[in-house]
Amino acid sequence: GQSLEQPSEVTAVEGAIVQINCTYQTSGFYGLSWYQQHDGGAPTFLSYNALDGLEETGRFSSFLSRSDSYGYLLLQELQMKDSASYFCAVIAGTASKLTFGTGTRLQVTL
Amino acid sequence: DAGVTQSPTHLIKTRGQQVTLRCSPKSGHDTVSWYQQALGQGPQFIFQYYEEEERQRGNFPDRFSGHQFPNYSSELNVNALLLGDSALYLCASSPGTPSYEQYFGPGTRLTVT
Repeated sequence: GQSLEQPSEVTAVEGAIVQINCTYQTSGFYGLSWYQQHDGGAPTFLSYNALDGLEETGRFSSFLSRSDSYGYLLLQELQMKDSASYFCAVIAGTASKLTFGTGTRLQVTL
Repeated sequence: DAGVTQSPTHLIKTRGQQVTLRCSPKSGHDTVSWYQQALGQGPQFIFQYYEEEERQRGNFPDRFSGHQFPNYSSELNVNALLLGDSALYLCASSPGTPSYEQYFGPGTRLTVT
């Protein structure tokens, strides 16, 4: 089977940097995606890593280490609107099946 | 360009009833996946449709079935509803496979009483 672990909650101050970690166990690994979901909203795609290293997209960066089955999402210059749940999701197997973690609730405070 | 649309937005059903949820994928997308999201949990993969066939299925009972039409839209059917089926049902579309970037619809909130 597949399993993913990420912290349940993280709190950070506006303007700060926060890192959300994700460890996974899976077979047939293709890559690791990150999604953001505001309360009452749909998950929206943030980032994807198939190879080791860092991917940067504006204020958001994502890192993957395939050998350690570990990745993280880095959010810089935090804004109040970044308060949301963040999910890591593994893509494995032959299709585009996403297996999501339980999510990390990020609270940005003043 | 319309994104992924789902209907209805909310639905209340009684135990034992049947329900049909609908999804229209983003323009240009031919693959539709369905997910169930319980409160406070991550979305769980139900199944995926491509070329009108179920290509992959998650750990859901046969009470959950689906269909994809020639225009790529899709339906999710749930029979013999249980209280535990209460959840947000999300549809996601992607252009072919494998596709790491899936576009999610706003979801259908199903409440079973």
